[in-house]
Amino acid sequence: NAGVTQTPKFQVLKTGQSMTLQCAQDMNHNSMYWYRQDPGMGLRLIYYSASEGTTDKGEVPNGYNVSRLNKREFSLRLESAAPSQTSVYFCASSEISGVNEKLFFGSGTQLSVL
Amino acid sequence: DQQVKQNSPSLSVQEGRISILNCDYTNSMFDYFLWYKKYPAEGPTFLISISSIKDKNEDGRFTVFLNKSAKHLSLHIVPSQPGDSAVYFCAASAVGTYKYIFGTGTRLKVLA
Repeated sequence: NAGVTQTPKFQVLKTGQSMTLQCAQDMNHNSMYWYRQDPGMGLRLIYYSASEGTTDKGEVPNGYNVSRLNKREFSLRLESAAPSQTSVYFCASSEISGVNEKLFFGSGTQLSVL
Repeated sequence: DQQVKQNSPSLSVQEGRISILNCDYTNSMFDYFLWYKKYPAEGPTFLISISSIKDKNEDGRFTVFLNKSAKHLSLHIVPSQPGDSAVYFCAASAVGTYKYIFGTGTRLKVLA
């Protein structure tokens, strides 16, 4: 049972380059999330998708776009990468059935922007 | 504006003793709280949660206490083990928002 799978695990970009981080979950969850983790800042919500077909901004959405491709997949795109986007990115999913639920996280993507 | 705060960046505890990790929140709409544990190079994993209708939830060595009037929750680990050494994040959510807001984390080191 894979759970939440993120690709790639590591990526180095030059300033101005673009890339897409991929995330897929096999738990049939309705909601999916993108977080970034920075030293001293904890986990900050970038974007989330409460259900297929919807996306909403989180705490730090600037410089990012997302696509909820289908129920399984939620991608995060950096159109023009900046050094400030150097971070570890985590994708997560949750059932959200109207009752309190927990998040399941992927193993992360370490991104460096030079 | 940090809605969920973990004011202690690190904590060291002797093996076998109690570890107490604290978390404060500012948004009175939060009604569900979670604790996550994170090892290096891994994603966070769920530890324990509590709904605002309760003031305590226990799971084995882990107990979470919620003080709604003080907007404060704490995680107690008894007894602490070296394998508990990790970064612990608290998170909060308000019903219907589908958003989970995390704190900055506390690095726990359990000394053998």
